[in-house]
Amino acid sequence: AQSVSQHNHHVILSEAASLELGCNYSYGGTVNLFWYVQYPGQHLQLLLKYFSGDPLVKGIKGFEAEFIKSKFSFNLRKPSVQWSDTAEYFCAVNGVSFQKLVFGTGTRLLVSP
Amino acid sequence: EAQVTQNPRYLITVTGKKLTVTCSQNMNHEYMSWYRQDPGLGLRQIYYSMNVEVTDKGDVPEGYKVSRKEKRNFPLILESPSPNQTSLYFCASSFSLAPGELFFGEGSRLTVL
Repeated sequence: AQSVSQHNHHVILSEAASLELGCNYSYGGTVNLFWYVQYPGQHLQLLLKYFSGDPLVKGIKGFEAEFIKSKFSFNLRKPSVQWSDTAEYFCAVNGVSFQKLVFGTGTRLLVSP
Repeated sequence: EAQVTQNPRYLITVTGKKLTVTCSQNMNHEYMSWYRQDPGLGLRQIYYSMNVEVTDKGDVPEGYKVSRKEKRNFPLILESPSPNQTSLYFCASSFSLAPGELFFGEGSRLTVL
């Protein structure tokens, strides 16, 4: 069965600090990878996704993620966070033979002004 | 506007009183799914549907039922709610799960007393 681990449950940063959120998955086959963001009181929105090709993918709002197949990782990065990035971030994986998206437990990011 | 609509958004009910959370999408998506979100557990899939009249259990289906009689609608039914079903519920849809992305509804916060 596929699973997703997000090791950082809570992260607190000051504005302009750099961000890296870890995501590791367990699944031996071909995968599609996603990062979703949930702003306070809102539904999940897609930040970025990886299907194939360049392992460095860029998403909205200056976020990017790097797929490292050998490490089963898909870490999310942003060079300089803003207060408006305060949210919960979810990594998700979809093995192409599975009919569901499996989510990690999420990372709550608090950016202080 | 493309969207996934859930109702009700908030509900407080009592143990054993049957309730239905409706979900409707206007994007002609084939795939629909229900998730519940609980602190520290992330999002867990309850049920999913690949197409009309085709539904299957997710990771936490106990205590829930679903139906998919029309492509656009995917209601979640709690026949006899219990306090452990107090949660935030999200409906999501996708044109095709592999390798599609999920579009989420606004969420339905359910409290069972």
